[in-house]
Amino acid sequence: EPEVTQTPSHQVTQMGQEVILRCVPISNHLYFYWYRQILGQKVEFLVSFYNNEISEKSEIFDDQFSVERPDGSNFTLKIRSTKLEDSAMYFCASSGMRSQETQYFGPGTRLLVL
Amino acid sequence: AQSVTQPDIHITVSEGASLELRCNYSYGATPYLFWYVQSPGQGLQLLLKYFSGDTLVQGIKGFEAEFKRSQSSFNLRKPSVHWSDAAEYFCAVALAGATNKLIFGTGTLLAVQP
Repeated sequence: EPEVTQTPSHQVTQMGQEVILRCVPISNHLYFYWYRQILGQKVEFLVSFYNNEISEKSEIFDDQFSVERPDGSNFTLKIRSTKLEDSAMYFCASSGMRSQETQYFGPGTRLLVL
Repeated sequence: AQSVTQPDIHITVSEGASLELRCNYSYGATPYLFWYVQSPGQGLQLLLKYFSGDTLVQGIKGFEAEFKRSQSSFNLRKPSVHWSDAAEYFCAVALAGATNKLIFGTGTLLAVQP
């Protein structure tokens, strides 16, 4: 069964450093998403991406964040200068041909900013 | 503003007992409704979804949920819980529109006693 994969599973970084989180969505999916879950809190929407551009972004997704689909398979989230409060589990998700379809989630990347 | 409420933060049930996890949403129209499960260290797995039609939906692992428009609820049920059901359960709504972003509840952590 196809699945969304994410790398790395864990990342530790120093405050102010750049991080890139990688995702490989399900191959025939067209809609891509990033969510995050701060420890003990709910899962929050960050950004959605379709047709090589951002469809919607939340207030959390400020200028320090960017997304890219550098090739036909990867979908990345970059945090330019990490802050302590960026420590969270970051989930990638993808959905199919229409926006109103089920989103399938990856296993997440746990980011720790020291 | 749209919101999802899961009033029970933590529930403990005995193996073999029935289970009901509550979910209420606040939204002007009928949203698309989902239940996801997150096992420790794992990503979010879709249990079931409601888009339209029959208000009682069946999902994987023996779970079902009933959409009640009058109560703005989408409660998750299982007639007999297994020890492997211990996990965190998230209710989510998708707002109809271009991006289909998910809004999650705070989750209910289920513990299963032998």
